[in-house]
Amino acid sequence: EIVMTQSPATLSVSPGERATLSCRASQSVSSNLAWYQQKPGQAPRLLIYGASTRATGIPARFSGSGSGTEFTLTISSLQSEDFAIYYCQQYNNWPRTFGQGTKVEIK
Amino acid sequence: QLQLQESGPGLVKPSETPSLTCSVSGGSISSRSYYWGWIRQAPGKGLEWIGSIYYSGSTYYNPSLKSRVTISVDTSKNQFSLKLSSVTAADTAVYYCARHAPDSAEYFQHWGQGTLVTVSS
Repeated sequence: EIVMTQSPATLSVSPGERATLSCRASQSVSSNLAWYQQKPGQAPRLLIYGASTRATGIPARFSGSGSGTEFTLTISSLQSEDFAIYYCQQYNNWPRTFGQGTKVEIK
Repeated sequence: QLQLQESGPGLVKPSETPSLTCSVSGGSISSRSYYWGWIRQAPGKGLEWIGSIYYSGSTYYNPSLKSRVTISVDTSKNQFSLKLSSVTAADTAVYYCARHAPDSAEYFQHWGQGTLVTVSS
């Protein structure tokens, strides 16, 4: 199975600052990568698919990039509602696998 | 507007075989465009894909759980279900149902709010 590794585990950022989250795959997943946001007590929400395509209703401050084994989620200017845990997921191979998550917390 | 609602037993004893159901509203589970899936999240942990099903009954399972998992669909009730056999404390988790993206079993576009299953004697 493809192992997805996210870094850092925790990212401390001030509101208005830029956040850069990384996701690495143990083998190439092409551009078959999605990002999700999860807030406490809530289900995950799809942010990005195809490595860089924003899902419906997702603000433009969220952007994704990368292909192959290295991927990045960037939040250009953090808003209060963006403090959450972010997960990447590959869908190039079975089984579908998720990273362990990056928690974005208020600095 | 599509809504998914999980229901389950809440508390189960070790070795039991709980059944969880996902009720779909605002869309037909028989749509030829969609796969439907189950994902779980142990307390304080990350997400683990369990398996996915097409309305026709075609399934994909996570090999780590395949021997204990059965996912089925009931088109008459617009529901799909998960059975997990021989549970242990390690199966304690919030179980989410979700709909995949159109025409694929790729990423998860819509999620239910989740239901907690606790395994304890």
